[in-house]
Amino acid sequence: SQKIEQNSEALNIQEGKTATLTCNYTNYSPAYLQWYRQDPGRGPVFLLLIRENEKEKRKERLKVTFDTTLKQSLFHITASQPADSATYLCALTAGGGADGLTFGKGTHLIIQP
Amino acid sequence: NAGVMQNPRHLVRRRGQEARLRCSPVKGHSHVYWYRQLPEEGLKFMVYLQKENIIDESGMPKERFSAEFPKEGPSILRIQQVVRGDSAAYFCASSRETSVIANTGELFFGEGSRLTVL
Repeated sequence: SQKIEQNSEALNIQEGKTATLTCNYTNYSPAYLQWYRQDPGRGPVFLLLIRENEKEKRKERLKVTFDTTLKQSLFHITASQPADSATYLCALTAGGGADGLTFGKGTHLIIQP
Repeated sequence: NAGVMQNPRHLVRRRGQEARLRCSPVKGHSHVYWYRQLPEEGLKFMVYLQKENIIDESGMPKERFSAEFPKEGPSILRIQQVVRGDSAAYFCASSRETSVIANTGELFFGEGSRLTVL
């Protein structure tokens, strides 16, 4: 069956360090993968999209990698700040013609001052 | 520009009543998606609509749930005869393009409608 797996345990990182979140998937062949941020009681907010032919994408302090062989994406936040504390969701297309994204359960990131 | 607007933000219903959730997409967006999120669970895809058409409803329960996106007005997610298990946050999202050829394929989400069934 198709699965998107993100670390369900909260990730505690000290301020200033790099936070790395993992997204693994099975039985998908996504054309692209996206990362979203969700704060408590709010809707998800789009952060980055990376296509299958791209190995890495950067946006300010964010970096995403996409390894279609390993079926894995890594999401990095460098020089992390307490304001980066949130739940980060990985999402990809299920294929089959439906364009609705399928989301992982997310990883709760806590940046400690 | 206004983002995706959802209302009501909070809705309380008793078992057996109907819930209607409304979503106005970003201006110029013609694709609307509904997702459901339970506590500690991920976002679950329910339905994908374009104006006046349901494109994919594979994630929507066959009974009691329906969705529409009329030519004029907001998209509506309707839940008839609600049960306690329907209590969740319902998120609407919109997009301008869905093709991977497009420059961007991200979804713009609303703040959600939180349904509580007593």
